[in-house]
This record gives sequence, C-alpha cells and structure tokens, in this order.
Amino acid sequence: NFMLTQPHSVSESPGKTVTISCTRSSGSIASNYVQWYQLRPGSAPTTVIYEDNQRPSGVPDRFSGSIDSSSNSASLTISGLKTEDEADYYCQSYDSSIVVFGGGTKLTVL
Amino acid sequence: QVTLRESGPALVKPTQTLTLTCTFSGFSLSTSGMCVSWIRQPPGKALEWLARIDWDDDKYYSTSLKTRLTLSKDTSKNQVVLTMTNMDPVDTATYYCARISPYGGAAVWGQGTLVTVSS
Repeated sequence: NFMLTQPHSVSESPGKTVTISCTRSSGSIASNYVQWYQLRPGSAPTTVIYEDNQRPSGVPDRFSGSIDSSSNSASLTISGLKTEDEADYYCQSYDSSIVVFGGGTKLTVL
Repeated sequence: QVTLRESGPALVKPTQTLTLTCTFSGFSLSTSGMCVSWIRQPPGKALEWLARIDWDDDKYYSTSLKTRLTLSKDTSKNQVVLTMTNMDPVDTATYYCARISPYGGAAVWGQGTLVTVSS
C-alpha cells in the first residue's frame, strides 16, 4: 500500500495564490486518479477536483489540479484566495480497490 | 442529481454493534461500475476510509478494521448498510457514505452523521 503525504497547514493572504501538494510514497502518481476534497466545519465534504485536474460544475475556476510524475505528486492550486476558501483539503486516490486519503491540509486565509 | 444520506444512532455504548444506513438517490447500485464507500473522521483527525461495496456485490474493507466491519446492500431500497462490531470510544467520529468511483467522475458525499461511543 502507498501513502499520500500533505503539508499539515498552509496560510496565505486574500487575493494570493496557494498550492497544496500531495506526494505518493510508492508507485506512480499517474497510475490512479487523484481527487481533492474541501471540508468545512458543519458542511458535507465537497469535491473541488476530480480525475487529477477536472473541476465539477459549480466549483470556481480559481481551483485547479495537476500531477507531476517527476516529483510523484499531485497539487491543488487556489488562486485569488477568498476568506471562504479557508477549510481543510484532502487528496485521495486508489490503491487497487482501497481508497487512500492524504492526511489533510488546513488552509488559513488571513 | 446524486445525493446520499447517512442515518443511525448518535450514541452507542462500548462493546455494542453500530449499524449505519446510507440511503442514496440519483444512481442505482445495480448499474455496472457503481459503488458506495464509508469513511469516518474522528474529531480533530483525518479522514479514514472504512469499506466499499460495488454494484456486483464485491466488498472491500480497511485492513485494520476488516474483522469488525460488514457491508450489505438493498438495491430495491437504494440503501447500503454498514455494521461495526465491538465499538470503542476511539470509534467516536463523523461517519460518511460517499460515491467515490475508481473509474472517474466527481465523488459525491453525504452530510455525515456523528456517532459517539460512551457509556
């Protein structure tokens, strides 16, 4: 089994751009789709990126996803930060039939 | 529109068995490729995947919890049931069901239900 490692926390100012990384410990990051979820207290988790870089309808184009085979990692980039983006973000992929989550990153917008 | 909703007890005692139901709409678990997963999040901690059941009744469980978990589905009712035996206070968490497909597509989550394990 592999692990997905995320930074514990990141912070940035409104209007700026932030990137959250998600590094796969073994096997290729390109082997399985990566999804990104936003979790806000009291709200259901929502998908902000699926299939590595696709945005569900309703998610602002300020959110983008990518994968980098050289670093074996996925990234979530949020541009034009808003205070409403403050939340926990989790990456997720599949290991065979098992769902694997990253440890989550707390984004603070201040 | 795909929706999922969890239901079950808010409080269980240690050693008891927890039974949670996921009722969904907008898709059928008899359709090829469909699946439903259960995930939990203890207070202040990370998401933890628990189990998944597929359209063809294949079931997959977390290695660390597989001896305590059982999944079943009722296709006619659009429901998936998770049972977890021998509950402990460390199992206190918000439990979610979600459609997270390994074949692509955006995942859809339920609202979650908080389960507290206490005597």
